[in-house]
Amino acid sequence: DVKVTQSSRYLVKRTGEKVFLECVQDMDHENMFWYRQDPGLGLRLIYFSYDVKMKEKGDIPEGYSVSREKKERFSLILESASTNQTSMYLCASRRQGDVLTFGAGSRLTVL
Amino acid sequence: GENVEQHPSTLSVQEGDSAVIKCTYSDSASNYFPWYKQELGKGPQLIIDIRSNVGEKKDQRIAVTLNKTAKHFSLHITETQPEDSAVYFCAASRDSNYQLIWGAGTKLIIKP
Repeated sequence: DVKVTQSSRYLVKRTGEKVFLECVQDMDHENMFWYRQDPGLGLRLIYFSYDVKMKEKGDIPEGYSVSREKKERFSLILESASTNQTSMYLCASRRQGDVLTFGAGSRLTVL
Repeated sequence: GENVEQHPSTLSVQEGDSAVIKCTYSDSASNYFPWYKQELGKGPQLIIDIRSNVGEKKDQRIAVTLNKTAKHFSLHITETQPEDSAVYFCAASRDSNYQLIWGAGTKLIIKP
């Protein structure tokens, strides 16, 4: 079974802090994604990466950046966390053209 | 921009009854329509998908129907069971290589 592991299930941070959300997949998938999930808004794409060192903006990239130095790891960075970034963050990966496999999510609270 | 509307936002059904969730999409070029189920504390997981060259697809108690003319597709769950309780998301894209456009989700509650 493909595994997508998000290192932190729950985080509480303060406004202005730098936040790193880590995601690792173990099936050599080329594509990786970061989504934000809020009630009533579905899943909104923040950033995605087609391959190592590559990144593309999704629908809501403002306030976020990403890093993909290794194929298996895709990190989401909040340079200066704000309260409106309190949310559930979902990482996903897939082989090109295949279905998405999601991690369990990281619930971030910014105080 | 392109969007997918999903209804209802919450659906409560008696165990053993059927449940239907409906989605409407705006991009007429969409031809791939997956459904994901998200159980509490987990990420979404694909349960069934359909492509525009077929009108219906079944997998045991789950079926998806597609009406390309009306640009809507639906998820049907028959003989609902407690383990069907979850949030269900529909999505649409031009093909499986494109980005998915997601519906807002439906919380399905199965009453014992």
